[in-house]
Amino acid sequence: AQSVTQPDIHITVSEGASLELRCNYSYGATPYLFWYVQSPGQGLQLLLKYFSGDTLVQGIKGFEAEFKRSQSSFNLRKPSVHWSDAAEYFCAVGAISGAGSYQLTFGKGTKLSVIP
Amino acid sequence: DVKVTQSSRYLVKRTGEKVFLECVQDMDHENMFWYRQDPGLGLRLIYFSYDVKMKEKGDIPEGYSVSREKKERFSLILESASTNQTSMYLCASSSRTGMGTDTQYFGPGTRLTVL
Repeated sequence: AQSVTQPDIHITVSEGASLELRCNYSYGATPYLFWYVQSPGQGLQLLLKYFSGDTLVQGIKGFEAEFKRSQSSFNLRKPSVHWSDAAEYFCAVGAISGAGSYQLTFGKGTKLSVIP
Repeated sequence: DVKVTQSSRYLVKRTGEKVFLECVQDMDHENMFWYRQDPGLGLRLIYFSYDVKMKEKGDIPEGYSVSREKKERFSLILESASTNQTSMYLCASSSRTGMGTDTQYFGPGTRLTVL
């Protein structure tokens, strides 16, 4: 069965500093990988996704992620964090279900706090 | 813009009550999902539906049932609510190309408290 590990429960960075959120996955086939963000009191919004091709994926809000097959990782990065990036971030892996549709398995999330 | 709406943002119910959570999407998506979100546990899939009247169990279906009579609407039912079902419930929908790249679009969530 597939699984996702986000090793950091909570990260605090200063505004303007760079950010890297870690994600490791376990899946037997070619993974489809996603990063979602959840602002307080809101649903989840897709930041970016990887399914093939270039291993460096660009997303919305200035985020990018790099797929490294050898490390089973899909880390999220941003060069300069803004106060509005404070939120909870979820990594997910897509896996085919018995009905032929893809389900997502989510990590437990990393909460990001930004210091002004 | 894709829109997924959930009938209530906050709900308070008593133990033993039957609870209905409603979700509606406006993008003609084939797939719809119900998750629950708890601190430190992330999102866990309860049920999903890949077509009208079709459903499949997720990781934690016990104590829940679902109904999908129309394509745009997916209901989560707690037959007899218990305090351990106090949680945030998120609905999502996606198209079904079978490519694995389909984005799931989420509603704002319903925070359910069972007293």
